[in-house]
Amino acid sequence: GAGVSQSPRYKVAKRGQDVALRCDPISGHVSLFWYQQALGQGPEFLTYFQNEAQLDKSGLPSDRFFAERPEGSVSTLKIQRTQQEDSAVYLCASSSRRITTGELFFGEGSRLTVL
Amino acid sequence: KNEVEQSPQNLTAQEGEFITINCSYSVGISALHWLQQHPGGGIVSLFMLSSGKKKHGRLIATINIQEKHSSLHITASHPRDSAVYICAVRHLYNNNDMRFGAGTRLTVKP
Repeated sequence: GAGVSQSPRYKVAKRGQDVALRCDPISGHVSLFWYQQALGQGPEFLTYFQNEAQLDKSGLPSDRFFAERPEGSVSTLKIQRTQQEDSAVYLCASSSRRITTGELFFGEGSRLTVL
Repeated sequence: KNEVEQSPQNLTAQEGEFITINCSYSVGISALHWLQQHPGGGIVSLFMLSSGKKKHGRLIATINIQEKHSSLHITASHPRDSAVYICAVRHLYNNNDMRFGAGTRLTVKP
């Protein structure tokens, strides 16, 4: 596609529900990042994929958070048993280079609200 | 203390004014990014710097590696420049690790 596409743009979940957020990176981009952005804050790193390999998941806040990119293109961030503190915008970014020094292209984000 | 500090947090300017946003960081970096985030969340990469200065239209970004400081300048500001500007740095020894500043909210009034 022309840009990084994320869905859904908005998600409201009841506490305890599971949610899945999708990221469709720019075609051919090797590197894919997930970030969490709380209201009024800068984004914070969650996890990084190089193709289908999850090379860094040090930013995932708990074992309720799980990300996958099984075929090296589309990625899904899953949050199990959502809590109110999970409310944030989840941003996906992709980069064309294997060595992650390339320019990042961001999606519009998925805004999650947990009631 | 946040590894990436931006100032000011909020900035209001009149159309046409020259604007400077500052970023200081405390870690060794391989690159620094300036990003623009409009209401609704979309982020656009403005610059990626590892040294010196870059210019694109009315935007200028500079970096001083020794002082661990970068500035973003906007000349002849316009209301459409109103956005949040975010500084982000890549760790020198782990390029996956990108740390973001909290952002500077710029409002340019006509």
